[in-house]
Amino acid sequence: AQTVTQSQPEMSVQEAETVTLSCTYDTSENNYYLFWYKQPPSRQMILVIRQEAYKQQNATENRFSVNFQKAAKSFSLKISDSQLGDTAMYFCAFFNYGGSQGNLIFGKGTKLSVKP
Amino acid sequence: GAGVSQSPSNKVTEKGKDVELRCDPISGHTALYWYRQSLGQGLEFLIYFQGNSAPDKSGLPSDRFSAERTGGSVSTLTIQRTQQEDSAVYLCASSPRGGGRTYEQYFGPGTRLTVT
Repeated sequence: AQTVTQSQPEMSVQEAETVTLSCTYDTSENNYYLFWYKQPPSRQMILVIRQEAYKQQNATENRFSVNFQKAAKSFSLKISDSQLGDTAMYFCAFFNYGGSQGNLIFGKGTKLSVKP
Repeated sequence: GAGVSQSPSNKVTEKGKDVELRCDPISGHTALYWYRQSLGQGLEFLIYFQGNSAPDKSGLPSDRFSAERTGGSVSTLTIQRTQQEDSAVYLCASSPRGGGRTYEQYFGPGTRLTVT
């Protein structure tokens, strides 16, 4: 079975600075995607970034980038130039598209606070 | 276009009552998922519908939980004889399951269920 671990329950960062959120996962599968979702206090889960496991190049989306280390099964999220609106819970998620199940497997989340 | 919508936004019910939660997926999305988010358990997968295939019910916690999806679109999650441990946010997501961005799941705002 696949598991996703986020070892930082809470983090804080000053506005305009850079922060990195950690995620590790455990799987024996080869065909998978990894995602970071953001959940602000409004409760709406918002997709931040995705990474296909077969791609070596790290995904980037504006101020958000990942460091994907497949051999180490590590998938960290870097937020550059942090903004107050980045304050939210961040969830790392795993999706095995080669299997019969269709669901995401989530980590427990990291609560990020951006301070002015 | 319109995103995933869920109703009601909040539901308070007495222990032992039945509740129905509704999800309207993004038009054209063939896959629909229900997840439960609670403080102690994080995000848990409940059930997955894909097109006309039999749903994957492997995540349902007990036989008090059931879900249906009518006409390949709207879904209803029913909880019978609610218990206090059912209190949680119930999230619905949909996915196109075809084409380029195949595996991304788009979430609704959730229904917060409180069982008193």
